[in-house]
Parts: sequence; structure tokens; C-alpha cells
Amino acid sequence: DADVTQTPRNRITKTGKRIMLECSQTKGHDRMYWYRQDPGLGLRLIYYSFDVKDINKGEISDGYSVSRQAQAKFSLSLESAIPNQTALYFCATSDWTDNYGYTFGSGTRLTVV
Amino acid sequence: KQEVTQIPAALSVPEGENLVLNCSFTDSAIYNLQWFRQDPGKGLTSLLLIQSSQREQTSGRLNASLDKSSGRSTLYIAASQPGDSATYLCALNFGNEKLTFGTGTRLTIIP
Repeated sequence: DADVTQTPRNRITKTGKRIMLECSQTKGHDRMYWYRQDPGLGLRLIYYSFDVKDINKGEISDGYSVSRQAQAKFSLSLESAIPNQTALYFCATSDWTDNYGYTFGSGTRLTVV
Repeated sequence: KQEVTQIPAALSVPEGENLVLNCSFTDSAIYNLQWFRQDPGKGLTSLLLIQSSQREQTSGRLNASLDKSSGRSTLYIAASQPGDSATYLCALNFGNEKLTFGTGTRLTIIP
């Protein structure tokens, strides 16, 4: 099993729908992150969490919300999806046990039509 | 604003050649630097992690160096193979909980 697992791998949804992307990790890391990747814009941080009670906005949090259900689970929600949220979404973890190197999931390709 | 530049943006080399990818940054106050590879539409695979106090790291055919004084990191790939074809990203951790990614180098190894 992968260290960081994202579900679904691909999703097509309609404008205005609520959608949740899920992330789970087996590394035992405290820190978890959500990034989105767009062609020409690179990876941008949406939200990050240091533990279940500590959640912080990243540089592009508008239109998104997150939930840290447990140390191992961090979900990202789009409350009302819009087409410009079409992107590749990545979950990542890091921790002092790995010298704060990052481990990324395989990504969720989201298309909003 | 921290800027991270990777040159060249794209590189094609024949199989078997050794090659160097470059990553330049303007702010030397880094915590660590990480090299990733990304296959089209896929996730990021970590290749090497260099801490601020280190000069280089090696893994198999890969060697990454870090020179903070000149604001530069290089990724050396020895004896390139077609399976090395991917986009390579450097990412800097400035200790502010946000990785700053480079612009990427798209590498093609020609069989």
C-alpha cells in the first residue's frame, strides 16, 4: 500500500456540486497538506494541518474547506464546485521523523464541468 | 518573494549520457531542498532530500548537491535511461510550512 493514498483518482463533477477528496497516510506523520497543480502555475498550497486541532489556510484557500478526522486522515471539500477548480490535487505529509521531507500522494484529477 | 528557477525548461539527451539539471534560488535561508520527479498526470516521487547543513546526497545513479552561498542545487543523473524521462522539480522548504517549487525541467531520454 502507498504511504499516502488519495481517493478518488479521477472525478468529473458538475458546477455547483459539493465534492470531497480524501487522503489517508500510513507514515504516522503529524503534518498534512493539500496542494493543487495547474499547468503554468505549478503547485500551490490550499490548506495544511499540524494535528487534528490545528488547521491553517494556505495561499489559495477560498472556495475550499478541510477536515482532519484523525492523524491519518485529511479531507478536502469543494462546497460548490466551479470550473476554475479543475486541477490536479495532491495530498502530502511531512514530519521531523523524515527530516521534514515531503511525501506526496498520487493525486486526484478533478474536472468541473 | 522567494523565486526558484530551473534551467533548462526542457532537455533531450541520448540514452546513456550523464546529465545535470539545475535549480537556482534567491533566498539562501532554506531548511532543506527536495528533488522530485513527476510523470505526466501522476504524483510527485521524492528522489533526494538535502538538509541545509549538507552539501550533497546520493541515491543510486542520482546525486544532488546544494550550494547555499551561490543559491544553487544540481541534480546529476548518471547513465541516463528512457525510464528517466519525466519532469523534475526542485522544492525548497524555508521552514514556513509551504514548499516553494521550481519551474521544472522536462527531461526526455532518447533511446
